[in-house]
Amino acid sequence: QQQVKQSPQSLIVQKGGISIINCAYENTAFDYFPWYQQFPGKGPALLIAIRPDVSEKKEGRFTISFNKSAKQFSLHIMDSQPGDSATYFCAASSRSTNSGYALNFGKGTSLLVTP
Amino acid sequence: DAGITQSPRYKITETGRQVTLMCHQTWSHSYMFWYRQDLGHGLRLIYYSAAADITDKGEVPDGYVVSRSKTENFPLTLESATRSQTSVYFCASAGTATYEQYFGPGTRLTVT
Repeated sequence: QQQVKQSPQSLIVQKGGISIINCAYENTAFDYFPWYQQFPGKGPALLIAIRPDVSEKKEGRFTISFNKSAKQFSLHIMDSQPGDSATYFCAASSRSTNSGYALNFGKGTSLLVTP
Repeated sequence: DAGITQSPRYKITETGRQVTLMCHQTWSHSYMFWYRQDLGHGLRLIYYSAAADITDKGEVPDGYVVSRSKTENFPLTLESATRSQTSVYFCASAGTATYEQYFGPGTRLTVT
């Protein structure tokens, strides 16, 4: 059972536009929500992460918005660039399990930024 | 500063053979993880380890065995490979200060 649902599956955005990827979860024990970026042939790389005590976190052009009551979080990429073309994964984990924050991943979004 | 490495990067094996994927990290992270990545499924946790000699199952452990005799190494063994185990395997590690997970470059395994 997929614990984190991610949409859309694919996304095409023009250079300079805003890319938005959404994720939803059901397990209220989740308390850590990272986003990973993956280029073809590479391992996922941690992009940005948020904990539920804040509603937004911004790092450069990347922003996570978090809505605890709706159990949703999203990644916004401002001023999208062709170099941002990659697959993005949201994930969630829980401190309450003794699993070292083992991650539950969404299925990924393939982003293409056109010139 | 090697970080986290995996070997081999590519492997082709036959059904029924045993194969071991290696993972090595230089950060002295307590936690290590094995995930598999399949189209349409994202990444799924196979096994994880909280410390040397402490391992536990993840979401899809069947057909896999792990060990962790040293903090820096976390090998994954497929005891009798099946075609359904054709996948890309990622190892990751995390320290207890932040629990942020860092991934290796992956091993692409094909079982014929």
